[in-house]
Amino acid sequence: SAVISQKPSRDICQRGTSLTIQCQVDSQVTMMFWYRQQPGQSLTLIATANQGSEATYESGFVIDKFPISRPNLTFSTLTVSNMSPEDSSIYLCSVGGQVPPEQFFGPGTRLTVL
Amino acid sequence: QKEVEQNSGPLSVPEGAIASLNCTYSDRVSQSFFWYRQYSGKSPELIMSIYSNGDKEDGRFTAQLNKASQYVSLLIRDSQPSDSATYLCAVRGPGNTPLVFGKGTRLSVIA
Repeated sequence: SAVISQKPSRDICQRGTSLTIQCQVDSQVTMMFWYRQQPGQSLTLIATANQGSEATYESGFVIDKFPISRPNLTFSTLTVSNMSPEDSSIYLCSVGGQVPPEQFFGPGTRLTVL
Repeated sequence: QKEVEQNSGPLSVPEGAIASLNCTYSDRVSQSFFWYRQYSGKSPELIMSIYSNGDKEDGRFTAQLNKASQYVSLLIRDSQPSDSATYLCAVRGPGNTPLVFGKGTRLSVIA
């Protein structure tokens, strides 16, 4: 499986600021996804990062709040904008899910918003 | 609304016993089924995938799928304290549809 890294691994941010999370994969992948895992909860898909086009957002998530870039097949960024304490979560990058359909996760970014 | 249901637990089993984790899903056209293990503070790790009815074994793990009953399970034989984690069931429909996750079952293996 691909090796996935994320930066930063954790951060503590002030309300109203923005944080950009990077996801780097060691091989080219077609499908990249961004998930959120709030404390004690399961994973919720934020969006599918599409290379060369706008991301596809799930219900409840909007581009203004979570802008995503996907400049090539090995890299993506997720920005959490105008943060509030409710955005405190683990944000996970994930790849795979086509052929074969297995999907793998990066180590995550633990975000705390004060 | 596609749903994946799991008992949240905690499920406690003694060391050496068989742990049985269950999952049901609502979307009949689901085609791919996965079990992830997540240790506290870590990201999910894929441990089993299954695509057709029946059993699939990998070491101490056996995944079981029954599409007619919309049911998938994970058996862990000879459970070890290191198996203590949250186990997430995930289901995907046809094509490039996203994974849908259950809320996870917390397993505790008691030494």
